[in-house]
Amino acid sequence: GAGVSQSPSNKVTEKGKDVELRCDPISGHTALYWYRQSLGQGLEFLIYFQGNSAPDKSGLPSDRFSAERTGGSVSTLTIQRTQQEDSAVYLCASSKDGGSYNEQFFGPGTRLTVL
Amino acid sequence: RKEVEQDPGPFNVPEGATVAFNCTYSNSASQSFFWYRQDCRKEPKLLMSVYSSGNEDGRFTAQLNRASQYISLLIRDSKLSDSATYLCVVNGFTGGGNKLTFGTGTQLKVEL
Repeated sequence: GAGVSQSPSNKVTEKGKDVELRCDPISGHTALYWYRQSLGQGLEFLIYFQGNSAPDKSGLPSDRFSAERTGGSVSTLTIQRTQQEDSAVYLCASSKDGGSYNEQFFGPGTRLTVL
Repeated sequence: RKEVEQDPGPFNVPEGATVAFNCTYSNSASQSFFWYRQDCRKEPKLLMSVYSSGNEDGRFTAQLNRASQYISLLIRDSKLSDSATYLCVVNGFTGGGNKLTFGTGTQLKVEL
């Protein structure tokens, strides 16, 4: 079946612009996660959605970052007033539910470059 | 101290060698543990979960020592296709849900 998809695959933007990154999770997966990976760094947790529960936003680095998940499926990560340090690969993952041993399936990522 | 620490490598080993990776984690309340594999410029993929009793999947063996907060991965009879970065991952279940914390990865290069 179809895996997690993300769009765009690459995004180049100018400092100060807003960007939106999209994630389509695997159908039927209720849990959705956003991470980012900077060059040479590990994956950094950003935000987690589980069903209709309030999202865990504890990993968002600043108030310029926000995310929503509409209808329990597609999610959008928005970065306002982008800065050069926002340049990274943004990865989305989904899992069947929030169980602690459920495998998280990752999308191919969006490579964001802020000039 | 990082929440999850790994030796970054690279580990350069000949084909057929046995190689072991170690990982330590700082949160004693962590509930579940994994090894993910990440190929260059690709997304991470689950290699195996790590259970308290230790578990094996073919050439791969994972061990967990909760008392020492230590996780290991052993790869036997390494293949060229094993070349990748291996990520140690810890789930610090926060009560509101899952929060995977990733190590920065250990790079493995298997050579002829």
